Amino acid sequence: AQKITQTQPGMFVQEKEAVTLDCTYDTSDQSYGLFWYKQPSSGEMIFLIYQGSYDEQNATEGRYSLNFQKARKSANLVISASQLGDSAMYFCAMFKGNFGNEKLTFGTGTRLTIIP
Amino acid sequence: ETGVTQSPTHLIKTRGQQVTLRCSSQSGHNTVSWYQQALGQGPQFIFQYYREEENGRGNFPPRFSGLQFPNYSSELNVNALELDDSALYLCASSLLGEGTDTQYFGPGTRLTVL
Repeated sequence: AQKITQTQPGMFVQEKEAVTLDCTYDTSDQSYGLFWYKQPSSGEMIFLIYQGSYDEQNATEGRYSLNFQKARKSANLVISASQLGDSAMYFCAMFKGNFGNEKLTFGTGTRLTIIP
Repeated sequence: ETGVTQSPTHLIKTRGQQVTLRCSSQSGHNTVSWYQQALGQGPQFIFQYYREEENGRGNFPPRFSGLQFPNYSSELNVNALELDDSALYLCASSLLGEGTDTQYFGPGTRLTVL
C-alpha cells in the first residue's frame, strides 16, 4: 500500500521568499505518479504540478517546481517568490500504475502562511 | 476554475438520515472519483466510476454508494448517517487514457451530521 508523509504541519514564510514543502512517499511499485494540490479555505483542491516516476526531469509549472529524488522517495514542492495568495493548505498525493485517474493517496497536508 | 461542480454546497442532516450529493464532471471527462475529507486530514478515496460502472473502492462501508449517469455526472449516496460522516466530500473528474489523467476537483460539499 502507498503512503504519503508530510512532516510540516504548518509553515510561515515571508512574502517574496522561496519555500519548500516536504513530501516523502512509500511504495513498492515501479510505476507511479505524484501530484501536489493547493486547498484554499474555500475547500476546492487546485492541481499544481505532476511528476511521473519515469520522468527524468523535475516538473515545473510557472512558480512551482517539484524536486523529485526517486532514490530517497521524496517529492518536495518548491514555490519561488511566494505571494500572499499562496497562503493555503498544500497536499501531496500519489497514485500507483500508469494512469493518474487511479485512486489517489493523500498526505495530511501542510498549512502555508505567507507573511507580508 | 476546473469546470467540476458539486451540489449542494452545504448540508445539515441528523443521524440515521440519508443524503445524496451530486457532481457534474468537466466537459469531456469520463471518470469521477469521490473523496471524503475529515477536518484536519487529507482526502480519503471512497470510490470511482468509469463509464457508469464502479471502478475501484476504498475502505468505506456499503452504506456509501454511488451512481454515474450517461452524461458522466455522478451521485454519492450515504445511508444511515453517522456523526463521523461529517466531512467535506470532494469529487474529481478525469479522462482515462489521456496523458497524465490529472484529477480535477470540484469545490466540495460540506456535510454536517447532528
